Amino acid sequence: NAGVTQTPKFQVLKTGQSMTLQCAQDMNHNSMYWYRQDPGMGLRLIYYSASEGTTDKGEVPNGYNVSRLNKREFSLRLESAAPSQTSVYFCASRVEVNYGYTFGSGTRLTVV
Amino acid sequence: DAKTTQPPSMDCAEGRAANLPCNHSTISGNEYVYWYRQIHSQGPQYIIHGLKNNETNEMASLIITEDRKSSTLILPHATLRDTAVYYCIARSNHYGGSQGNLIFGKGTKLSVKP
Repeated sequence: NAGVTQTPKFQVLKTGQSMTLQCAQDMNHNSMYWYRQDPGMGLRLIYYSASEGTTDKGEVPNGYNVSRLNKREFSLRLESAAPSQTSVYFCASRVEVNYGYTFGSGTRLTVV
Repeated sequence: DAKTTQPPSMDCAEGRAANLPCNHSTISGNEYVYWYRQIHSQGPQYIIHGLKNNETNEMASLIITEDRKSSTLILPHATLRDTAVYYCIARSNHYGGSQGNLIFGKGTKLSVKP
């Protein structure tokens, strides 16, 4: 079972470059989420998609955009990367609101 | 949203039960208590959740006090592989959208020692 797959696992960007983080789940889950985690911190919600065709801002959405391409895929885009966006990014999904999340293994992004 | 309070760190001897406390004194009637853990730099892993009754699964037991103001996650026989950061989260299951999203604090770093 693949679960939640994130690509790439590691990425180094220069300030001002753009990139898209990919996330796909094969569990037929309705909701998908993007979190970031900085050293010594908990996870902070960037954006989420409660169902296919909808997206909403989370706690820290500035500097990011998202696309719920279909039920399986939820991508996170950095249009103009900044050093403050250096972080570990986690994608998660869940089938319904009263179920637990399944997380991917993360993308480690460094912006120099 | 109910704020949860956890000790920043705990130690446990291998093979012994690990009891991780969580205070959530402002929890409302429709908020569940969720537990997740994060091993090293991996993605968080769901452990268990409950509303007011004690819950048990293959990973752990969750004991919620009668007044629901605190709970304890119990790992019955801790192993070295249980060394992780454990997050306690209180959140409503009754709503979609932002009200149903999980908010992670800093958690408790559990160190299981030989």
